Amino acid sequence: EDQVTQSPEALRLQEGESSSLNCSYTVSGLRGLFWYRQDPGKGPEFLFTLYSAGEEKEKERLKATLTKKESFLHITAPKPEDSATYLCAVNNFGNEKLTFGTGTRLTIIP
Amino acid sequence: EAQVTQNPRYLITVTGKKLTVTCSQNMNHEYMSWYRQDPGLGLRQIYYSMNVEVTDKGDVPEGYKVSRKEKRNFPLILESPSPNQTSLYFCASRQGTDYGYTFGSGTRLTVV
Repeated sequence: EDQVTQSPEALRLQEGESSSLNCSYTVSGLRGLFWYRQDPGKGPEFLFTLYSAGEEKEKERLKATLTKKESFLHITAPKPEDSATYLCAVNNFGNEKLTFGTGTRLTIIP
Repeated sequence: EAQVTQNPRYLITVTGKKLTVTCSQNMNHEYMSWYRQDPGLGLRQIYYSMNVEVTDKGDVPEGYKVSRKEKRNFPLILESPSPNQTSLYFCASRQGTDYGYTFGSGTRLTVV
């Protein structure tokens, strides 16, 4: 059974204070690992897809990296508008099942 | 605007009264999926569809039905809702396995 564990559950940072969110996963065959951002009362918003160990992707202040067992979402010099819950999910080869972690709730304090 | 549209946004119903939550996408996507989101449990997949007339169970399909008669629509049917189906529901679609899902705005369902 595929499993995704995200840590920490919640993170409070000062504006400009860089940090990383962790996503550990167990999957029999990884088709892709996804990062999403979710604002309160809204649906998740797609950020990145990573496919193989060593891959990195960037978008503004966010950079996602992937190893064989975990993924990191690095946030550089965050701003208050980066406050949200960040979700990680894995897709297994052979089916369309997508398994999500429970997310990291990020708060950036001005 | 490219989007996934769910209706209704909010619904309060009574145990056992059949209901349907509609989902429509205007992006010509092949794949569609339904999720429920509960505190502490995260997003869990209910059903998914890889094409018209092709549907399969996700991790929590019990008590739900779906159909995919047209590419754009993927309704979620609760034939006899129970209080444990009180949740926030999301419909999503994507073009293929190399793409991320686009999610709808959600339907908050309360079953009393």
